[in-house]
Amino acid sequence: QSALTQPPSVSGAPGQRVTIPCTGSNSNIGAGYHVQWYQHVPGTAPKLLIYVNTNRPSGVPDRFSGSKSGTSASLAISGLQAEDEADYYCQSFDRSLSEVFGGGTKLTVL
Amino acid sequence: QLVESGGGLVQPGGSLRLSCAASGLPFTHYWMSWVRQTPGKGLEWVANIKHDGSEEYYVDSVKGRFNISRDNAKNSLYLHMNGLRVDDTAVYYCARRGLTTSGAFDLWGQGTMVTVSS
Repeated sequence: QSALTQPPSVSGAPGQRVTIPCTGSNSNIGAGYHVQWYQHVPGTAPKLLIYVNTNRPSGVPDRFSGSKSGTSASLAISGLQAEDEADYYCQSFDRSLSEVFGGGTKLTVL
Repeated sequence: QLVESGGGLVQPGGSLRLSCAASGLPFTHYWMSWVRQTPGKGLEWVANIKHDGSEEYYVDSVKGRFNISRDNAKNSLYLHMNGLRVDDTAVYYCARRGLTTSGAFDLWGQGTMVTVSS
């Protein structure tokens, strides 16, 4: 049972916009800890997409955006492309002094 | 670039040492971590180590069994795993904690597979 909850899967057609929610609690996201998002294509190294809730590292397209409110966060991907098909994970910190990840969401581009 | 090695098949109760070689980056500036992905499941943080090795942190499930260490002269990170259990079976990734990304895992290796089975 992950401390951060994500839907197992989402899907969308090319060009569409999808959002992936990440629900935490008052001991992690709600306590003010930052949220990060990672993209992971199985068999490859995970990639940082969003840090400190809304910031994109250089090289990450602006089609990817992050937001945070209360005990939740979300990742939005606009202009969906076939190459976006991957697993997406949210991550934060918990007052139990532990880094925590969501269970991951598999994005399928139809 | 981060490159992990040392994974393999080990019996329950056994030991293994994973290594992570860093290149092309000022290794001594960064906190480093190990993160694992169990089969069919998501990512799980395992351990952190401060840039100078003076602080270490672990997920509860590995405390007392795993030890993270580093050799800054060799640009290398290690994970010493003892008392391995079947549920430690996973792909283990080393990851850098970014300086300009407020500690996000901003660089990852490709991972090394650890299988614990009799």
